[in-house]
Amino acid sequence: GENVEQHPSTLSVQEGDSAVIKCTYSDSASNYFPWYKQELGKRPQLIIDIRSNVGEKKDQRIAVTLNKTAKHFSLHITETQPEDSAVYFCAASRGLNNNDMRFGAGTRLTVKP
Amino acid sequence: DTEVTQTPKHLVMGMTNKKSLKCEQHMGHRAMYWYKQKAKKPPELMFVYSYEKLSINESVPSRFSPECPNSSLLNLHLHALQPEDSALYLCASSQVRLRIYNEQFFGPGTRLTVL
Repeated sequence: GENVEQHPSTLSVQEGDSAVIKCTYSDSASNYFPWYKQELGKRPQLIIDIRSNVGEKKDQRIAVTLNKTAKHFSLHITETQPEDSAVYFCAASRGLNNNDMRFGAGTRLTVKP
Repeated sequence: DTEVTQTPKHLVMGMTNKKSLKCEQHMGHRAMYWYKQKAKKPPELMFVYSYEKLSINESVPSRFSPECPNSSLLNLHLHALQPEDSALYLCASSQVRLRIYNEQFFGPGTRLTVL
């Protein structure tokens, strides 16, 4: 089955700096890679996703890159703000309905004002 | 309605109790999911229902019994649980569109404590 590894497990940055979180996956059939943000005591919420036919996607301060050959993908947050502080999970799924989603272990991001 | 709702928010039960978790969505999604999330860990997939039929069971112990009575509802029946089953149980739903990447929407979860 799919195995998703995520690094780092914790990340602390100063407000305004950039943050980068990296994930690798094992199943070459995986074709959908979402990123979820989970604040303490709240539900995971999708912040950005990328599909296997795209190398990069950007949405304001958030971008994701995908290297299918190397089987890794990364989340980039620029101009970080204290409200970006949360746990971020990468995930990978495959199949016609991509409903067999597997999560990375998570990265606890702290943005210091 | 663009939300997944779950009841109860919190549940404390003994090892001999029988209880049920409920999940509801009215977004017309035909896939629904149960995940288990332990503290400081990622969600782990337990069950997937597609068009009200169980399509994935991730070797979950039989003390967890899912049920999908209709396209809007998903239940998780609990019986004879162990303390290590204490966790946040998340429900999610998504559309089912072949070869399209279907975002999963999560409910707020039920925090379960087994004494």
